[in-house]
Amino acid sequence: AQSVTQLDSHVSVSEGTPVLLRCNYSSSYSPSLFWYVQHPNKGLQLLLKYTSAATLVKGINGFEAEFKKSETSFHLTKPSAHMSDAAEYFCVVSARTSGGSYIPTFGRGTSLIVHP
Amino acid sequence: SQTIHQWPATLVQPVGSPLSLECTVEGTSNPNLYWYRQAAGRGLQLLFYSVGIGQISSEVPQNLSASRPQDRQFILSSKKLLLSDSGFYLCAWSVSGNNEQFFGPGTRLTVL
Repeated sequence: AQSVTQLDSHVSVSEGTPVLLRCNYSSSYSPSLFWYVQHPNKGLQLLLKYTSAATLVKGINGFEAEFKKSETSFHLTKPSAHMSDAAEYFCVVSARTSGGSYIPTFGRGTSLIVHP
Repeated sequence: SQTIHQWPATLVQPVGSPLSLECTVEGTSNPNLYWYRQAAGRGLQLLFYSVGIGQISSEVPQNLSASRPQDRQFILSSKKLLLSDSGFYLCAWSVSGNNEQFFGPGTRLTVL
């Protein structure tokens, strides 16, 4: 079984300040973890992924996330928010099923609001 | 390169009418295919996934069904829509054996 919890439904920051979007997960197996971004009425775009290599993962648009097994966390950060970062962000955990498929579980999403 | 298409982009249907949403993938073979629904203010709910032609797994029991008549085609259907079927429907694909998903642009369905 696997689950993912995004701890904040909304995060509000000022442009130029740091961003922190929190995600905790649980998984019976060694999981892969992802962050996706979704702009209004659009599909999801992959920001970054962790697949058991380096624990600090760098993604697109200046985002990065750190896998902390002891804390079962995979928080997303960015040093300086930009207005274009305003969007919905989803944390995803995915582990291989006994049938060999990968079935992902999505968090409920965090809405990032960026003020000028 | 691979691309994924969904149509229609938006759809307004009356309660009780049928539904057919189509998703196609180009540039890859034997992909895993997924249908998700995203209701307002909620995360993504996995509805169906398919690892091959004619192989459909349902994650949530409801009045929707899915079919995969061709390798790169995934169809979401309903015989009679409910108000609660309104939402944003996303199709995704992944390489078989890989867990990174690629999403289509989505279909906004409004049931009135």
